Amino acid sequence: GAVVSQHPSWVICKSGTSVKIECRSLDFQATTMFWYRQFPKQSLMLMATSNEGSKATYEQGVEKDKFLINHASLTLSTLTVTSAHPEDSSFYICSARGSVGPGANVLTFGAGSRLTVL
Amino acid sequence: SQQGEEDPQALSIQEGENATMNCSYKTSINNLQWYRQNSGRGLVHLILIRSNEREKHSGRLRVTLDTSKKSSSLLITASRAADTASYFCASSGGSNYKLTFGKGTLLTVNP
Repeated sequence: GAVVSQHPSWVICKSGTSVKIECRSLDFQATTMFWYRQFPKQSLMLMATSNEGSKATYEQGVEKDKFLINHASLTLSTLTVTSAHPEDSSFYICSARGSVGPGANVLTFGAGSRLTVL
Repeated sequence: SQQGEEDPQALSIQEGENATMNCSYKTSINNLQWYRQNSGRGLVHLILIRSNEREKHSGRLRVTLDTSKKSSSLLITASRAADTASYFCASSGGSNYKLTFGKGTLLTVNP
C-alpha cells in the first residue's frame, strides 16, 4: 500500500530559527500534497495544497512567507517554518495523493511532525 | 476552513458497548470520510462513504450519511479498549481531494 513518511517526527528549536519538515511518498509519485496543522486537542486545519512543480496554494490566514512550501519532486514536499515562535508549536501533518500506482486517487497521511519552539 | 462539527466532543464507554459519533457539515460534498487518530500520532483512514450512499459497513464500523441533513454518524460496535482514540470526519467537496475536518470526538473505552 501507499506509504508517506514525515521527517523529523519531532523537533525542538529556539525561537527565531527556521525548521524544515519533509514529507516523502515512498512507493508512489505524489502529484498533490497537503499540509495540515493541529494544535493540542483540536482538529486538523489545512494550511496549503502543493502540486509538484508549481507554487503552493495557501488557505486564508496562513502566511506564505512564514510557512514556505516546496514540492520540487514527485516524491518530496517540504514545509519550512521560518523564524519560528512559540505560537508555531504544533503538530504538522502532510498527506499525499498520486495519480497512478498504490497512491492513486487516495489520500495517504504521514505520521506527523511535532514542533516545539522554545 | 473548519466546517465540521462533531458530537459528542468526548465519549467514555465500557468495553463491549457500542459507540456512536455524529458529524455535521455545511456545504455539498462528494464524499465523507472517517479517520482515527491515536494521541500524538498520524491519521488512519477508516471508511469512506460517497454522497450517493446512505450506509456503509466495514467490520465493526457502520457509517451513515444523510445529505438532506448534512450529517453522518459512525457506529463502532462491541468496542474494545484498543478503540480508544480521537475520531474525525472529513468532507470532500470536489475532485481535488481537499478535505475539511470536523472537530473530532475523543473516545475512551474502559476495560
